[in-house]
Amino acid sequence: GENVEQHPSTLSVQEGDSAVIKCTYSDSASNYFPWYKQELGKRPQLIIDIRSNVGEKKDQRIAVTLNKTAKHFSLHITETQPEDSAVYFCAASVAGGGADGLTFGKGTHLIIQP
Amino acid sequence: DAGVTQSPTHLIKTRGQQVTLRCSPKSGHDTVSWYQQALGQGPQFIFQYYEEEERQRGNFPDRFSGHQFPNYSSELNVNALLLGDSALYLCASTRTGVGGYTFGSGTRLTVV
Repeated sequence: GENVEQHPSTLSVQEGDSAVIKCTYSDSASNYFPWYKQELGKRPQLIIDIRSNVGEKKDQRIAVTLNKTAKHFSLHITETQPEDSAVYFCAASVAGGGADGLTFGKGTHLIIQP
Repeated sequence: DAGVTQSPTHLIKTRGQQVTLRCSPKSGHDTVSWYQQALGQGPQFIFQYYEEEERQRGNFPDRFSGHQFPNYSSELNVNALLLGDSALYLCASTRTGVGGYTFGSGTRLTVV
């Protein structure tokens, strides 16, 4: 089955700086890659996703890049703010259209230092 | 527009007991997936229901079973509870063919 590795497990950056979280996946058939933000005691919330026919996607301060050849994808957050502090999870799935479950990484605890 | 709702929010059970968790999907969604999230870990896929049938299953024992009703709501049942079953159980819904999963706030199960 699919295996998703996520690094780093903890990331501390100064407010205003950029943060990058990286994930690798094992199943070359995977074609849908979402990122979720989970604040303490709350539900995971989708912040951005990308499909395999696209190399990069951007939404304001958040961007995701995908390298299908190397089987890795990354989350980039620019101009970080205190409210960006949370645990971020990457995930992968084959069907993409909701026909199968997501395989998650173990998460990155992002800490924004004031 | 209500999102994904789960009940109960918290639950304490004794080892060996059985538990049922409930999920109502987001309006317009027809597919429900269940995940187990241990403390400090990412969610792990348990199974997915579509058209009242289990469509896909993760690496969980048969003690974990489920059901989907005609209104798309779903239940997760766990028999013979173990201490290791203590976790946050998340329900996620989507519309098959469209994709994009919406998560509920979860049920915190504690087995003592």
